[in-house]
Amino acid sequence: DAGVTQSPTHLIKTRGQHVTLRCSPISGHKSVSWYQQVLGQGPQFIFQYYEKEERGRGNFPDRFSARQFPNYSSELNVNALLLGDSALYLCASSWGGAPYNEQFFGPGTRLTVL
Amino acid sequence: DAKTTQPNSMESNEEEPVHLPCNHSTISGTDYIHWYRQLPSQGPEYVIHGLTSNVNNRMASLAIAEDRKSSTLILHRATLRDAAVYYCILRDVGEGYGGSQGNLIFGKGTKLSVKP
Repeated sequence: DAGVTQSPTHLIKTRGQHVTLRCSPISGHKSVSWYQQVLGQGPQFIFQYYEKEERGRGNFPDRFSARQFPNYSSELNVNALLLGDSALYLCASSWGGAPYNEQFFGPGTRLTVL
Repeated sequence: DAKTTQPNSMESNEEEPVHLPCNHSTISGTDYIHWYRQLPSQGPEYVIHGLTSNVNNRMASLAIAEDRKSSTLILHRATLRDAAVYYCILRDVGEGYGGSQGNLIFGKGTKLSVKP
């Protein structure tokens, strides 16, 4: 079975630009969560979506937004990029929306902002 | 959110048992104890979770103190593939949805090195 897939693998942008990251969950999973991992730190929770509705939001500015599509895939959008947005962006899926459901992570998208 | 404290790093020899400690003195009654690990250049992967009783699965065992203020992840025979950062995380299932409730709140974890 295919795991969580993310695209692109790597991305280079300049300050002020906009970026869209994509995630396809494991087949049958209805919840998608997004995390940001800065080098040397643990992942930080950004958003959770379940059945196309936002179920949770971490402490990130409004420049960060996300959505989930009818096929349960998801996009993370970041506007007005800052140097500090350089990080590994991880997507995780789970079959249900309950907080205790095991999350399965993708390999991440490495974003570099110059 | 309830916090966890883990050593920054630990070393082990291959094929020996490894005990990774985690302190969570402010744990609440509705907090599950989860362990995830992150191998180099990969996303985190689920290892094990528990509430009150000790738990075993094919990857590891989780020993939970009687007062639940600490727990230990046990790898019975470390392999080189077990070299990773191990995260101990509390997940609150008693508060419902909204904010970051119940989602994975990662700390810095313990970096485990395994020597051949």
